[in-house]
Amino acid sequence: DAGVIQSPRHEVTEMGQEVTLRCKPISGHNSLFWYRQTMMRGLELLIYFNNNVPIDDSGMPEDRFSAKMPNASFSTLKIQPSEPRDSAVYFCASSIHQGRSPLHFGNGTRLTVT
Amino acid sequence: TQLLEQSPQFLSIQEGENLTVYCNSSSVFSSLQWYRQEPGEGPVLLVTVVTGGEVKKLKRLTFQFGDARKDSSLHITAAQPGDTGLYLCAGGSSTGFQKLVFGTGTRLLVSP
Repeated sequence: DAGVIQSPRHEVTEMGQEVTLRCKPISGHNSLFWYRQTMMRGLELLIYFNNNVPIDDSGMPEDRFSAKMPNASFSTLKIQPSEPRDSAVYFCASSIHQGRSPLHFGNGTRLTVT
Repeated sequence: TQLLEQSPQFLSIQEGENLTVYCNSSSVFSSLQWYRQEPGEGPVLLVTVVTGGEVKKLKRLTFQFGDARKDSSLHITAAQPGDTGLYLCAGGSSTGFQKLVFGTGTRLLVSP
């Protein structure tokens, strides 16, 4: 079991640039989540998908953020244009949409916007 | 908005000591999970509790869900350096278990 795979592990970019974060969920999991973690705000849910369909995007900070899940094995989180306040660790997690199944997190992408 | 407050925020202890971490909310949760996160990694699930008053044990870790399902505690007996990490509680909403609300976190450091 390869686990949830995120790329890149680290991203440093300048303000105004477009950033794309990638996630491959665990095979067979049909729910996918994007979280953001900062020291000030902790772990915040941005958006989650069931069967590739966005169910709740109320946590997406603003229109600069967008997420897609074109198929069951791939998702992207895009920030355009990026701002320094977007600096955080972004986590992707997947789970089986059944009962009280746990979330399986990737190792995150540390984003720094200068 | 459902909020989960954890206390203490930071805890630094010596190996062999006991400790308790608290997770409190004014909201009722259908279930509660505890995760541990190590530097550079994502959170990893430790346990899920679903019934008010439920107690679960995982080796030296004891988890309890409050009777009213608004709070939870994690007790570690004889802490070891390997217990070092960020402990997060997460509440499952009655409207959708998978939409978890994460607590503010407790950062534990256990020194040899």
